[in-house]
Amino acid sequence: EPEVTQTPSHQVTQMGQEVILRCVPISNHLYFYWYRQILGQKVEFLVSFYNNEISEKSEIFDDQFSVERPDGSNFTLKIRSTKLEDSAMYFCASSGGRPRIEQYFGPGTRLTVT
Amino acid sequence: DAKTTQPPSMDCAEGRAANLPCNHSTISGNEYVYWYRQIHSQGPQYIIHGLKNNETNEMASLIITEDRKSSTLILPHATLRDTAVYYCIVRVEGNNDMRFGAGTRLTVKP
Repeated sequence: EPEVTQTPSHQVTQMGQEVILRCVPISNHLYFYWYRQILGQKVEFLVSFYNNEISEKSEIFDDQFSVERPDGSNFTLKIRSTKLEDSAMYFCASSGGRPRIEQYFGPGTRLTVT
Repeated sequence: DAKTTQPPSMDCAEGRAANLPCNHSTISGNEYVYWYRQIHSQGPQYIIHGLKNNETNEMASLIITEDRKSSTLILPHATLRDTAVYYCIVRVEGNNDMRFGAGTRLTVKP
């Protein structure tokens, strides 16, 4: 069964450093998403991406964040200058031809900012 | 701005049906009801969704009341591996985001 994969599984970085989290969505999917979950809190929507552009973003997704689909398979989330409060699990998700159908989530990357 | 209300926790005996309720009294006509679950710290897993008709798949059944103000997710024969946080989400057709609430923590006990 096809699945969303994410790398790395755990990333430790120092405050102020840039990080790139990587995702490989399900191959025939067209919509891509990033979510985050701070430890003990809710899963929060960050951004959705379709047709090589952001289609929707939340108030969390400020100028420190960016997303990119550099090739036909990868989908990345970049945090330019990490802060302690960016420590969280980051989940990538993808969905097929229409945004209203189900989204499939990856296993997540645990980001720890020290 | 929670659109759904779920009990914070429930227990279920292994092998019995788990019935997880969700209230969404302000649901709009074009909003679907989705159910996801999250096992420990894994990524959320899609279970089922519906608009107004009852739905069934290999994982679960979704019962939506006629007025669509509430729904119930049914796991027909719960196993220990079904222990997870279950999220009920209402979402407008065409919206990109899933808005997760606190969910119901289901514990399946031997």
